Amino acid sequence: QLQLQESGPGLVKPSETLSLTCIVSGGSISSSDYYWGWIRQPPGKALEWIGSIYYSGSTYYNPSLKSRVTISVDTSKNQFSLKLSSVTAADTAVYYCARQYGTLFDPWGQGTLVTVSS
Amino acid sequence: EIVLTQSPGTLSLSPGERATLSCRASQSVSSTYLAWYQQKPGQAPRLLIYGASSRATGIPDRFSGSGSGTDFTLTISRLEPEDFAVYYCQQYGSSPRYSFGQGTKLEIK
Repeated sequence: QLQLQESGPGLVKPSETLSLTCIVSGGSISSSDYYWGWIRQPPGKALEWIGSIYYSGSTYYNPSLKSRVTISVDTSKNQFSLKLSSVTAADTAVYYCARQYGTLFDPWGQGTLVTVSS
Repeated sequence: EIVLTQSPGTLSLSPGERATLSCRASQSVSSTYLAWYQQKPGQAPRLLIYGASSRATGIPDRFSGSGSGTDFTLTISRLEPEDFAVYYCQQYGSSPRYSFGQGTKLEIK
């Protein structure tokens, strides 16, 4: 059974870079059938897609975040990562990673809360 | 940008009742690219419905989806206690590629 687990600092200072990793277990990130995505959910707000990556390294991002986002993949470690630069309080959210099958996200990781505060 | 608006924001019903949740898009969305997710407190979202009306693996048949164009509906025929959660619709289309509605909270009356 495929499982995803997010990891990274729970607290980031304003203007710094948020870095998270998603470890995939129970399946290969190098499968040609899937992309891998990041989605976030600010407290009490809706889900927001951040971006997605293919095992080859091909990426596409939400235009609203594109200038600050980098998603990368490490197939040797079966994981992919998110970097979000110049963070502000508005970037405080639960960050989820998910397998992307076509246009669907399934399954998702449990999520990790990242708070931006000094 | 396609905006998905869900209504109502909160729906209060009792177990055994029928729930009807709405998702309206600001522009036409292909039915192929409309999905519904369920999120319980403290948990990640779970895929319920894809292609507007197809149930994901393991989803009970009391859940059904319908609609086309700009109006889509998630129906739960007879509510079970475990169905009380937040439900999100999601579309794939123009920029941004993927967007979600703001959610409908289904609470016990």
